[in-house]
Formats: sequence, structure tokens, C-alpha cells
Amino acid sequence: QKEVEQDPGPLSVPEGAIVSLNCTYSNSAFQYFMWYRQYSRKGPELLMYTYSSGNKEDGRFTAQVDKSSKYISLFIRDSQPSDSATYLCAMSVAGTSYGKLTFGQGTILTVHP
Amino acid sequence: DVKVTQSSRYLVKRTGEKVFLECVQDMDHENMFWYRQDPGLGLRLIYFSYDVKMKEKGDIPEGYSVSREKKERFSLILESASTNQTSMYLCASIQADTQYFGPGTRLTVL
Repeated sequence: QKEVEQDPGPLSVPEGAIVSLNCTYSNSAFQYFMWYRQYSRKGPELLMYTYSSGNKEDGRFTAQVDKSSKYISLFIRDSQPSDSATYLCAMSVAGTSYGKLTFGQGTILTVHP
Repeated sequence: DVKVTQSSRYLVKRTGEKVFLECVQDMDHENMFWYRQDPGLGLRLIYFSYDVKMKEKGDIPEGYSVSREKKERFSLILESASTNQTSMYLCASIQADTQYFGPGTRLTVL
């Protein structure tokens, strides 16, 4: 079993929809949780960064962490065609470099006009 | 607005060749990382470095080595390339929540 599980999709939604992306994990030591967006033929770009449990909002994006369930989510409101990309969740344990990350497989999202 | 650059976008090499992948960052970060990305497997950590001349193995270091002679440059070396090293290689420069990945090098080993 992988430490981080992410449904690869693909996920296709109409413009304006609310998108929900999720990851589950098995390592209870994970404390830092991240979401990246990766466009085709580009490197991943950090979208959201949270520590421990709770919610974090940035514009149309909301990240949620539920450590009791070992479950994290990314919500995209009013989705746009420009949101079409692969979304990667990643996490790390406390006390280590933030870059020593364990990634999910990535979910391919398409937002069609 | 250059943050992390990688020496090549696409590279084709033959089995047994020694391959060098270069990564340069301009943010004065101490921490640099090499990942490879494969379909269905996501990103996996190969090696990382917390400082000049320091290196630590990641999850899949076999067949790779690294060099960090200067703070801004982190090199990944494939000592004898094999076909199973065909992949997308991504370099990252990370300091707390300031994280940048390079554009990646698509390496094909024939």
C-alpha cells in the first residue's frame, strides 16, 4: 500500500463547477500538507501549503486537512478552463526538510467551457 | 523571474552512457532536491542536499549520484544509464513554504 493515495481520475467538469480533489494517507507522522498544480510539460507549482489540521483559503482554492481521518482535500470554486491541469498532493513529516515530500499520483482535471 | 532552471528540456542517451543533469537556482536556498516523475507512480525522491557538499539519499537512489559544489547548483549523475531510467527528472529548490520546481528534463535512454 502506498503511503499517499490519490485517485488519478481523469476528472472532467463544466466551467463554473466546484471541484473536489482528495488524498488519503497512512503515515500519522505527516504534519505538512501541500497541493501542487502541474500544467502539461511544466514543473509542479505550489498552490496551497498547510500545517497540521484545519482549513486554508486562497482565492478560489480551499485546502482542508483532517488528520483524524488521514484525509486531505482541495476545493476549487468557480472552476475555469485555465484550471485544467494535473493536481498533486504531497506531505512531509515534521522536523525534516519541507522538500522531502511524499507525493500522490496526481489527478488529471479538465474544465471544459 | 527565473527561479530554477534545468540544463536540458529533452535528452536522448544510449544505454551505458554517463549522463549529467544540471539544476541551478537563484534564490540562495540551502535545500535542493531531485525527483523523477513516472506515470502512475507520481514524483519520487532520488537525492537531496541541505548544503554545499552535503547529500542524502532519497527513496530511489540506486543508479544515481549527485554533486553540490556550489550553493546554487545541484547536479544529478547517471553513472551508466539504463532504459529503466527513462523518465521526467524534476529539480526543486525549497526553503520552508517557498518552493520552486524546474521545468523538468525528459530523458530517454535507448
